[in-house]
Amino acid sequence: ETGVTQTPRHLVMGMTNKKSLKCEQHLGHNAMYWYKQSAKKPLELMFVYSLEERVENNSVPSRFSPECPNSSHLFLHLHTLQPEDSALYLCASSQRQGGDTDTQYFGPGTRLTVL
Amino acid sequence: AQKVTQAQTEISVVEKEDVTLDCVYETRDTTYYLFWYKQPPSGELVFLIRRNSFDEQNEISGRYSWNFQKSTSSFNFTITASQVVDSAVYFCALSEVANDYKLSFGAGTTVTVRA
Repeated sequence: ETGVTQTPRHLVMGMTNKKSLKCEQHLGHNAMYWYKQSAKKPLELMFVYSLEERVENNSVPSRFSPECPNSSHLFLHLHTLQPEDSALYLCASSQRQGGDTDTQYFGPGTRLTVL
Repeated sequence: AQKVTQAQTEISVVEKEDVTLDCVYETRDTTYYLFWYKQPPSGELVFLIRRNSFDEQNEISGRYSWNFQKSTSSFNFTITASQVVDSAVYFCALSEVANDYKLSFGAGTTVTVRA
């Protein structure tokens, strides 16, 4: 199933570059998420958008800037990153309704390397 | 504190062997959800199962089966007659009302199935 797509799949950038990661969901969901997956660490939730409003920011450094222009698209803008930011960045979407959250479906991820 | 513990870091089996992945969770909520995801080398997290706290019935889907036991706070996953394509990292996750239904992931178990 390719309900959630991410581009690019691989990205190499220098510490002074500015780049953006893109996520698109085709599942009709109303919530989208960014996760960071570093080697030997559990998945870390970075941001949550529900109905295009940011509802969660897990103490993420300001060099990561999310944007959710509509319920189907989510971006992660990157600038002046550090080598320790190298990781797999995963996007997910779900249908949040009432006080309940349905299953999160994930994209294939963007493998980011910061030189 | 870790909410989801996957004590097995790596498991290696020969094809056709059964493999059981352990998952122990911790929560004070009476309403919660448990998940298993598979992450093959391509990176995408593939949803396998979602189980709510009120449904303790074991479930079987093809070669996959899940054993949910609230008395021991465990949600174990068994792959029967393993195949090389089952080689992946498997994550157990918990979603709680008190945590606004955000997913708390375990550290993952790497399963290697040898031909």
